[in-house]
Amino acid sequence: AQTVTQSQPEMSVQEAETVTLSCTYDTSESDYYLFWYKQPPSRQMILVIRQEAYKQQNATENRFSVNFQKAAKSFSLKISDSQLGDAAMYFCAYRGQGGSEKLVFGKGTKLTVNP
Amino acid sequence: KAGVTQTPRYLIKTRGQQVTLSCSPISGHRSVSWYQQTPGQGLQFLFEYFSETQRNKGNFPGRFSGRQFSNSRSEMNVSTLELGDSALYLCASSYRGEGASPLHFGNGTRLTVT
Repeated sequence: AQTVTQSQPEMSVQEAETVTLSCTYDTSESDYYLFWYKQPPSRQMILVIRQEAYKQQNATENRFSVNFQKAAKSFSLKISDSQLGDAAMYFCAYRGQGGSEKLVFGKGTKLTVNP
Repeated sequence: KAGVTQTPRYLIKTRGQQVTLSCSPISGHRSVSWYQQTPGQGLQFLFEYFSETQRNKGNFPGRFSGRQFSNSRSEMNVSTLELGDSALYLCASSYRGEGASPLHFGNGTRLTVT
């Protein structure tokens, strides 16, 4: 079974600075998808960024980028120019290539942004 | 376009009762998934529906069941509630097209069992 590990329960960053959230996963599959979701206090899970395993190029969405290391099974999220609105729980998630859209989530990292 | 709508937002039930939660997906989305979120276990997959058929089921007891209607709306039911069923229940929908179609989540239903 696939597992996702987020080793940092909590992180903090100063506004306008850069922070990196770590995620590692375990799988025997060669094709899969990886996601970062953000969950603010409003509870709604919001997609931040996604990565297809077959793509070597790291995904980027504005201030958010990932460092995808397939051999190391590592998928870290970098947030540049952090803003107060970035404060939330961040979840790393794995989805296999098969027909199911089931996501396997990590335990999450609580990000605090200090003004 | 309206997002995923879950009702009710909050629910308080007593042990032994049953509960039904509702989820309306984004228009055009035919795939609906359910997740249970607790502080101890995190986010756990409950089940997934597509075109009214259950496509996948998580490791939960038979007290947890669900269904999907022809308009893609979905309900999940928990019978004989236990204290441990207290959780945030999240519903997500997707277009289920090719590639990594992302899941779009609702705001969840907070269930408290007393």
